[in-house]
Amino acid sequence: EVQLVESGGGLVQPGGSLRLSCAASGFSFSSYSMNWVRQAPGKGLEWLSYISTSSSTMYYADSVKGRFTISRDNAKSSLYLQMNSLRDEDTAVYYCARDQRTSSSGDFDYWGLGTLVTVSS
Amino acid sequence: DIQMTQSPSSVSASVGDRVTITCRASQGISSWLAWYQQKPGKAPKLLIYDASSLQSAVPSRFSGSGSGTDFTLTISSLQPEDFATYYCQQASSFPLTFGGGTKVEIK
Repeated sequence: EVQLVESGGGLVQPGGSLRLSCAASGFSFSSYSMNWVRQAPGKGLEWLSYISTSSSTMYYADSVKGRFTISRDNAKSSLYLQMNSLRDEDTAVYYCARDQRTSSSGDFDYWGLGTLVTVSS
Repeated sequence: DIQMTQSPSSVSASVGDRVTITCRASQGISSWLAWYQQKPGKAPKLLIYDASSLQSAVPSRFSGSGSGTDFTLTISSLQPEDFATYYCQQASSFPLTFGGGTKVEIK
């Protein structure tokens, strides 16, 4: 069974940093591109970042470019999101999501349960 | 960036009704479009990919159509478990973008 489990969320002050993790199991992690998507309270979905299977290609939304860094460790079947210079508007539930196809499809067939990040003083 | 516009933002319907949700892309995306269902407190669930391909285990009452800039998600006969928020998402180019969502509510 495919499982994605996020961790690392919590309360952080504006300007602070946080590192999210996503532990994957039940599939060949190294064969799939991965993404981070967030959802602010009561709002819609916002794609944040993509990383290819070998970490050779990464993309970011403009809203987080230069502040957030995506990475992965295929040996540990884990995905990460390093978040720096956090702002109030980064408050959201953060999901990791798997690309549906090994050929990097851009749509997401498995999602984690999410981890809540709250940025507040 | 490609903007995705969904309409309506909400719809009230009864069990058994046919419900149609539309999604328009700000530029052509061929058939690189996905639809998701999200229930409160839950992660989104992929329903449709490549505009019209039904994801495994998704009931056949869900269908998608369209290409280019205009797309449609149809629920042929609304069931109690279908009351949720639906999102379209373009998978054509980065940055990937979602529509604003359509909440399907009980009439």
